[in-house]
Amino acid sequence: DIQMTQSPSSISVSLGDRFTITCRASQDIGNYLSWYQQKPEKSPKLMIYRATNLEDGVPSRFSGSRSGSDYSLTINSLESEDTGIYFCLQHKQYPLTFGSGTKLEIK
Amino acid sequence: EVQLVESGGGLVQPGRSLKLSCLASGFTFSNYGMNWIRQAPGKGLEWVASISSSSSYIYYADTVKGRFTISRDNAKNTLYLQMTSLRSEDTALYYCALITTKGFAYWGQGTLVTVSS
Repeated sequence: DIQMTQSPSSISVSLGDRFTITCRASQDIGNYLSWYQQKPEKSPKLMIYRATNLEDGVPSRFSGSRSGSDYSLTINSLESEDTGIYFCLQHKQYPLTFGSGTKLEIK
Repeated sequence: EVQLVESGGGLVQPGRSLKLSCLASGFTFSNYGMNWIRQAPGKGLEWVASISSSSSYIYYADTVKGRFTISRDNAKNTLYLQMTSLRSEDTALYYCALITTKGFAYWGQGTLVTVSS
């Protein structure tokens, strides 16, 4: 099974700051990596797909990147509405696996 | 507008069975693979099962293999999850989700399953 190691598990960031979350894949997943935002009591929402592509309607301050087996979600100029939990997902191979999540709070 | 509406959750005793449904609308259901994903209270996301558009390919997480069965009725635009031999660790919010090449593009609102005596 492919393990997705996500870090950090939680972080507090100031408004306007830049923030990066990383998922490391234990095996090659190509670009079959997506990022999700989950607000309290809400379903997850797709933010980034195929590692670097911004989903329609997602603010341009969000971006995705890849360096080898490391996949990153960056939020430039953090806004209050960006709080929540972020998960990565690999859908290269079954079983599909999620990262453990990153809880983002405003400092 | 894509809509996925889960139902069938509830309180069930350990060892008993429960069947979840997910009614889809706003897209051609028969063209897409579908999935069940769960989230235990206060925990992360766990993929549970996948079924291809024509039911030809089905996959399960090891944690539910042999106990859960995913199925679909394309004529009724409905996805199912038959859960048997339920355990306390199956307690979770169960989401259905549409999978595309982008990943899980659309999610339902979830249905809560609580396994407790």
